[in-house]
Amino acid sequence: GEDVEQSLFLSVREGDSSVINCTYTDSSSTYLYWYKQEPGAGLQLLTYIFSNMDMKQDQRLTVLLNKKDKHLSLRIADTQTGDSAIYFCAESSNTGKLIFGQGTTLQVKP
Amino acid sequence: DSGVTQTPKHLITATGQRVTLRCSPRSGDLSVYWYQQSLDQGLQFLIQYYNGEERAKGNILERFSAQQFPDLHSELNLSSLELGDSALYFCASSVAGRVGTDTQYFGPGTRLTVL
Repeated sequence: GEDVEQSLFLSVREGDSSVINCTYTDSSSTYLYWYKQEPGAGLQLLTYIFSNMDMKQDQRLTVLLNKKDKHLSLRIADTQTGDSAIYFCAESSNTGKLIFGQGTTLQVKP
Repeated sequence: DSGVTQTPKHLITATGQRVTLRCSPRSGDLSVYWYQQSLDQGLQFLIQYYNGEERAKGNILERFSAQQFPDLHSELNLSSLELGDSALYFCASSVAGRVGTDTQYFGPGTRLTVL
């Protein structure tokens, strides 16, 4: 079946790197996404990776994909207090809908 | 700002009532998706439309219906509301709604509270 799992909470100090992990089950997923949700706000697309890639870097964000283990991670370098939010991993299904994980709450301590 | 607009931002109503949520996609996007975010179910896909036609259906209750109009805006109708329908309802849009190759951009959501 289709399922996406994430750890629920991560706490880091400002300036450290954050790594948010995700596992998914649908090996036919073409794209995998990371969305950010700040309190009271909608979902902001952060980045995505095509399934035939291992890594994608976009400024402070690095996405790593291990297709064999169906494991996706998002690394945020030099984490800032403004990065505090809920981060959702999502896979695209064969019908085009997105299947989301439960979301990881990132707390950044000054 | 994603370019996807949703109205209203907040909606408070009573059990048994009916409400309509509205979504305008980004300019040029033909596909609209509806998602429900609740504390117990997380983010769940409800339904997708492409250029006025229903394309995919998810965990949408029979009490809920949606449509996409010729100008591409979409409405989600929720009827016989129950307390458990209280949630954040998101609309997303994408260019063509193709499987796995289209990026979905989300609106700010409508927070529905059923009392």
